[in-house]
Amino acid sequence: DTAVSQTPKYLVTQMGNDKSIKCEQNLGHDTMYWYKQDSKKFLKIMFSYNNKELIINETVPNRFSPKSPDKAHLNLHINSLELGDSAVYFCASSQDRGRGFYGYTFGSGTRLTVV
Amino acid sequence: AQKVTQAQTEISVVEKEDVTLDCVYETRDTTYYLFWYKQPPSGELVFLIRRNSFDEQNEISGRYSWNFQKSTSSFNFTITASQVVDSAVYFCALSEAGYSTLTFGKGTMLLVSP
Repeated sequence: DTAVSQTPKYLVTQMGNDKSIKCEQNLGHDTMYWYKQDSKKFLKIMFSYNNKELIINETVPNRFSPKSPDKAHLNLHINSLELGDSAVYFCASSQDRGRGFYGYTFGSGTRLTVV
Repeated sequence: AQKVTQAQTEISVVEKEDVTLDCVYETRDTTYYLFWYKQPPSGELVFLIRRNSFDEQNEISGRYSWNFQKSTSSFNFTITASQVVDSAVYFCALSEAGYSTLTFGKGTMLLVSP
């Protein structure tokens, strides 16, 4: 199936641990993103990559490091996890089709719980 | 800078009522794109509609309709004859031309009770 897939769907971990979330898209899109959705449902962009190149890096602690080995993958590594990192993280991809921006295709989200 | 405001935090209706979700946006660009996404209790984000700034025609898709008014910078979403399955958080979002980043409103939680 064509889609944006994220793994894992749920992640429970202790404070101080390091964890990664993986994202892959097989839609042939050029741009991929990470968004964080907090407990109040607010969606905020963290990073954006276009063809493996970082183009947006919002004010995110440097404990968060995105890695894009190729344009179909954008992984998120988080060091020294803190309680406040608990959230749902969404990966998304998009493609400018020449007639404008058509929005994102989202992954199903990763619910990260730090205990 | 772009901004999206969804002033209604939560709306509760009874099944079969019509409901309108408000969205007001701010942008300095003349070319931009507006979106609505639905997030049901299962958590995924589902695309509903895209509208570019040059197309002010209202759109209807089944029980859903959208009213885009540039004069008031609004892009409102109406559900006619609401159903329990419409219960979700609905997000309005904006992207300015030349940028592929979506700025989301804070969302409106719609609760439809039987």
